Amino acid sequence: DGGITQSPKYLFRKEGQNVTLSCEQNLNHDAMYWYRQDPGQGLRLIYYSQIVNDFQKGDIAEGYSVSREKKESFPLTVTSAQKNPTAFYLCASSVRGNQPQHFGDGTRLSIL
Amino acid sequence: QKEVEQNSGPLSVPEGAIASLNCTYSDRGSQSFFWYRQYSGKSPELIMSIYSNGDKEDGRFTAQLNKASQYVSLLIRDSQPSDSATYLCAVNFDSNYQLIWGAGTKLIIKP
Repeated sequence: DGGITQSPKYLFRKEGQNVTLSCEQNLNHDAMYWYRQDPGQGLRLIYYSQIVNDFQKGDIAEGYSVSREKKESFPLTVTSAQKNPTAFYLCASSVRGNQPQHFGDGTRLSIL
Repeated sequence: QKEVEQNSGPLSVPEGAIASLNCTYSDRGSQSFFWYRQYSGKSPELIMSIYSNGDKEDGRFTAQLNKASQYVSLLIRDSQPSDSATYLCAVNFDSNYQLIWGAGTKLIIKP
């Protein structure tokens, strides 16, 4: 079945540590996105990528980094510079910008 | 500043009634409009897409778009307890790849 796979489902970060969240899609979508959602809040865009080897910052990119070396994969690294990383992280993809986005199941990141 | 506004709720509706959810947006040039449903602790799932003025129906769901008044609404007929969730409105303002998201309306269907 086609879809978006995020892993792990739960992740704990120690102080000063970088962690990487995985996102893989087999929908053959060009565009991929990373969002952050805090409790009771809407979605905030961290980074997005329209095509392989290209990505743009969203509204809250500070403390995060991404890569897009393959069409299927768009990993997100939460660096130690992100001082408040506890949140629900959602990866999405779409055929192109004005088309619907489809989401993975998300990763919950917490601080140890 | 491009914005999408939703009433946070909660909106409480009796089972079997029509639930009406509204969303307003700031840019007349907006092209694409989407409604997502998000259950607590889960990821958003797409319910409806609408691109032109008027109504679009899919089962118990109807999306209504009025570009002149800059609003899009979602009607849920014969509401069921399983419809209880947060409903997110998302708008694509131009040809770029970003969706602007509302904060969501929490809907509670009372048996």
